[in-house]
Amino acid sequence: DTEVTQTPKHLVMGMTNKKSLKCEQHMGHRAMYWYKQKAKKPPELMFVYSYEKLSINESVPSRFSPECPNSSLLNLHLHALQPEDSALYLCASSQVGLAGVADTQYFGPGTRLTVL
Amino acid sequence: GNSVTQMEGPVTLSEEAFLTINCTYTATGYPSLFWYVQYPGEGLQLLLKATKADDKGSNKGFEATYRKETTSFHLEKGSVQVSDSAVYFCALRGLSSGSARQLTFGSGTQLTVLP
Repeated sequence: DTEVTQTPKHLVMGMTNKKSLKCEQHMGHRAMYWYKQKAKKPPELMFVYSYEKLSINESVPSRFSPECPNSSLLNLHLHALQPEDSALYLCASSQVGLAGVADTQYFGPGTRLTVL
Repeated sequence: GNSVTQMEGPVTLSEEAFLTINCTYTATGYPSLFWYVQYPGEGLQLLLKATKADDKGSNKGFEATYRKETTSFHLEKGSVQVSDSAVYFCALRGLSSGSARQLTFGSGTQLTVLP
C-alpha cells in the first residue's frame, strides 16, 4: 500500500481565516514533505520533516506553519494568507535510507486551496 | 546544481500512436531518476523509476532507460490510450547532502490523446 491521504480535498478561506491542512500515511515512512503547485507548473518544495523534525524550510513565509505531531501525521497551519497563495498543496512521504538519503516519494491527492 | 529539462508541450496524439517524451538532466554523480504522472484534478503518481545507469523502469506499458552517457531518461509507450491523457513530470533525486537530496522536477509535459 502506497497511499498518502490528504484532507480536505478543497478549501476556500478568507485572508483573515485560520485553517489547517492534514496529511496522513501508514507506510512507516519517516520523511514527510509539503509542496505547493501552481497551475501548469511542477511542484515546489516547501518543507521537509525527517524523523518528526523539521529538516528543510525553503524560505516559506511564516503565514505557513508546518507541524509533525507523530511519524504518520503532517499538518500545515494557514493564517493570514494572500490570494497568490491559492494553489494545490501536495503532501508526500518517503523512507529515509542510508546516510539519511530519502527514498522514492509518494504523493497524496492534494488540497485545492482558494484564498479570497 | 541539479536540473531537469523536458520536451516542450503540449503533445497531442491519436489513440494507439507511439509516445516519446524527452527528458535530460544535469547532476553530479549518479542521481535516481523518476517519471511522475498527474491526471486532471489529482496529485502526482509515481509512474516508474531507475536508480542506476542502464536500469530500465517500466509500468503500465511505459518504459524509460537511464542513459548515463547521454544524461537522458526518455519516456516511451508503444500505443497510447485516451486514458493516458495527463501531465508527465520527469524528476531526479541527487545524492549530495541537504536540498540536493530532494526532488528536482522538469517543467512537465501535457499529453492529450484523441480517440
